Amino acid sequence: AQSVSQHNHHVILSEAASLELGCNYSYGGTVNLFWYVQYPGQHLQLLLKYFSGDPLVKGIKGFEAEFIKSKFSFNLRKPSVQWSDTAEYFCAVQTGANNLFFGTGTRLTVIP
Amino acid sequence: DAGVIQSPRHEVTEMGQEVTLRCKPISGHDYLFWYRQTMMRGLELLIYFNNNVPIDDSGMPEDRFSAKMPNASFSTLKIQPSEPRDSAVYFCASSLRRAGGNEQYFGPGTRLTVT
Repeated sequence: AQSVSQHNHHVILSEAASLELGCNYSYGGTVNLFWYVQYPGQHLQLLLKYFSGDPLVKGIKGFEAEFIKSKFSFNLRKPSVQWSDTAEYFCAVQTGANNLFFGTGTRLTVIP
Repeated sequence: DAGVIQSPRHEVTEMGQEVTLRCKPISGHDYLFWYRQTMMRGLELLIYFNNNVPIDDSGMPEDRFSAKMPNASFSTLKIQPSEPRDSAVYFCASSLRRAGGNEQYFGPGTRLTVT
């Protein structure tokens, strides 16, 4: 069965620090990969997605992610975080069916 | 487009009562998903529909939960009878099938509290 692992449950950074959130999945076939963000009290919004092509994808708000097929990873990065990036971040995998398998989420707290 | 619409946004009810959550997907989308989010279990897929037909309901917790999609623009998730452990945020999402992949668009959620 497919599974998605986000090993960092809570990350605390100061403003301007660099961010990398890990995401690993277990599935041997073709996958589509997503990062969603949930700001406090709000719904999930798409940050970025990977379907095919360049494994380095850029999303909104300066976020990017790199798909490394050999490592089954899709880590999220941002060179310099802002206080407004405080949120929960979810990695998700989509396989042949249309449903998404979500990781447990990583809570990011950015200290001004 | 208004996005995915859910109602009510907040629902407080007593144990044993029936609860109905509603969702209007984005017009033209052919997939609809119901999720539940709790601190303990994170984000769980409950059921999803394709062209109004339930495809996978393996995530529905038990018989107290039921979902319907009578037409392309409306879906309900019903809990009868409700229990305190059903307290959670329930999200509806919709997507449009495209070759290569598709993203899901989430509604604002319904925060359910069962006392």
